[in-house]
Amino acid sequence: DVKVTQSSRYLVKRTGEKVFLECVQDMDHENMFWYRQDPGLGLRLIYFSYDVKMKEKGDIPEGYSVSREKKERFSLILESASTNQTSMYLCASSLFGQKLNTDTQYFGPGTRLTVL
Amino acid sequence: KQEVTQIPAALSVPEGENLVLNCSFTDSAIYNLQWFRQDPGKGLTSLLLIQSSQREQTSGRLNASLDKSSGRSTLYIAASQPGDSATYLCAVGSASKIIFGSGTRLSIRP
Repeated sequence: DVKVTQSSRYLVKRTGEKVFLECVQDMDHENMFWYRQDPGLGLRLIYFSYDVKMKEKGDIPEGYSVSREKKERFSLILESASTNQTSMYLCASSLFGQKLNTDTQYFGPGTRLTVL
Repeated sequence: KQEVTQIPAALSVPEGENLVLNCSFTDSAIYNLQWFRQDPGKGLTSLLLIQSSQREQTSGRLNASLDKSSGRSTLYIAASQPGDSATYLCAVGSASKIIFGSGTRLSIRP
């Protein structure tokens, strides 16, 4: 079974702090994704990566950056956390599909981030 | 611009009933459509993936259909059980992105 793990289930940070959210998948998937999920807005793609060191912006990249130094790990970075970044963050991976996702996405359990 | 809609937003049915969840999309140029289940406070679990060349996929009591020409997909759940209670989301994969619907919150009454 594919397993996608996220470093924390719950996280509380203060405004202005630098925040790292880590995601690891164990099935040698090429594509990895970061989403945020908010009530009434659904899931929105922040960034995705289709290979090591490769990244592309999603729909809402502002205020975020990502890092993919190894195939199995995809990190989301909030350079200076703000209260409007309080949300549920979901990581996902999929096997391959050119640059795009044409395969089943497997999701991690999510990190609920609160920025005070 | 692709838009994905799921109606109704919430549905409550008694245990044992067969039910259908709906997903509609505006642009038929899709690669695939995926149905997910999400339990409260948890991540998404993939249920079924239908490629654009397929008409349906089945897994156990679940059957998903895809009609690209009309921009519709349905998720059929047979003999519903209380454990099926969750939010069900569809996601449409196209050339440049994946768009999620807002989900249908399903409650199965014992």
